[in-house]
Formats: sequence, C-alpha cells, structure tokens
Amino acid sequence: RKEVEQDPGPFNVPEGATVAFNCTYSNSASQSFFWYRQDCRKEPKLLMSVYSSGNEDGRFTAQLNRASQYISLLIRDSKLSDSATYLCVVNMRSSGTYKYIFGTGTRLKVLA
Amino acid sequence: SQTIHQWPATLVQPVGSPLSLECTVEGTSNPNLYWYRQAAGRGLQLLFYSVGIGQISSEVPQNLSASRPQDRQFILSSKKLLLSDSGFYLCAWNGEGLDRTAHNYGYTFGSGTRLTVV
Repeated sequence: RKEVEQDPGPFNVPEGATVAFNCTYSNSASQSFFWYRQDCRKEPKLLMSVYSSGNEDGRFTAQLNRASQYISLLIRDSKLSDSATYLCVVNMRSSGTYKYIFGTGTRLKVLA
Repeated sequence: SQTIHQWPATLVQPVGSPLSLECTVEGTSNPNLYWYRQAAGRGLQLLFYSVGIGQISSEVPQNLSASRPQDRQFILSSKKLLLSDSGFYLCAWNGEGLDRTAHNYGYTFGSGTRLTVV
C-alpha cells in the first residue's frame, strides 16, 4: 500500500462547479498535512495546511479525519485558473527529521 | 525573507556524462534541505535530505549522490548519467534548524531543473 494515495483523475468540471479531492495515508503517526498545487512544468507550491478542526481559505476548504486517515480538499465556485494538479502531502517524523511524503497528485481541469 | 535558488532551469546531457545541480538558500540558517525527483507523469520521489553541513541521508539507491559543503548549499551530482535519470529535479527546504515548528508550514521548493538525458 502506498504511503499516500490519491485518485489521479483527471477531474473535468465546468466553471462554477464544486469539486472535492480525497487523499488517504497509511501511517497513523503522521503529524502534519498539506495540499500543494502544481502547475504544468512548474514546482509545487503550498496551497494550504490541513488542521484537525478543518480550515478554510476563500473558496478552498480542507478537512482531516485522523480516525479514517484521510484528508480532503473542497474547491467551490471553480475558476479556470484552478486547473492544476493538486498534491496531498503528509509529514511524519523519522530518524530525527521530518519527511514529507507526496501523493502522485489529482489533476483538475476546469472547463469554460 | 527566505528564498531558494536552483539552477540551471533546463539541462540536456548525454548518457555517461557527469551532472552537478546546485541549490542555495538565502535568509535562513541551518535549514533542512531536500532533493526530490519527479519523473514524467509520476509523483515526487525523495532522493536525499540533509540536516546540516556534511550530513546526507539517502532515501533510495541510485546513480546519484548529494553533498552539503556549506550551510545553505546543497549539490546533487552524478558521475555518469543514465537515461533513467531524466526528470524534474526539485530542491526544497524548511526552517527546522532554528524553528522547531517549521515542519508545520510545509516546504518551499526551488523552481526546479528539468533534466533530459539523451
């Protein structure tokens, strides 16, 4: 089983739609969780951290379910500019340092 | 503010040639530094990480090596490139060295080097 798993997509949605991505992780000792956005041929950029109580940043809402070991990202009112690959990232402490384990990403395409 | 520089942006190298990619960080001290590789259509694979000068941990056996000659410099090298070394190489840092809570804030990536081995 992969340490971090995501549905690769692609998710093709019309502008204005609401879309949700899920991500599961295998290590229950994982401590921090993030969503990154990666545009084509660019480096990943931090979209938002995911907190236990859930958190929202504008049209983006992230949720964490530790019992079921999954995190989610909800995008409301999708924009064309939201088209990108969304990477789920789990951070766990190992051998004295923190390691970030990346999912393979979920590709989103917002259609006009 | 902290910035991370990575170069070159694009590289085309013949099989069997050497490789040296450099990453430098500004505006912080004692950062944790990481090298990742992303093959076409694949996820990010952690190659090496370093918690300090001269300290390198390797995550996967491969044709590559890393060195950290200075606090804010991280170098990825190969003596002889293979076709399978092609990919998008990313350097990343977080500020754990000074800020013990920095791991809560994720990585910052350099802009990456796209390597094609021909």
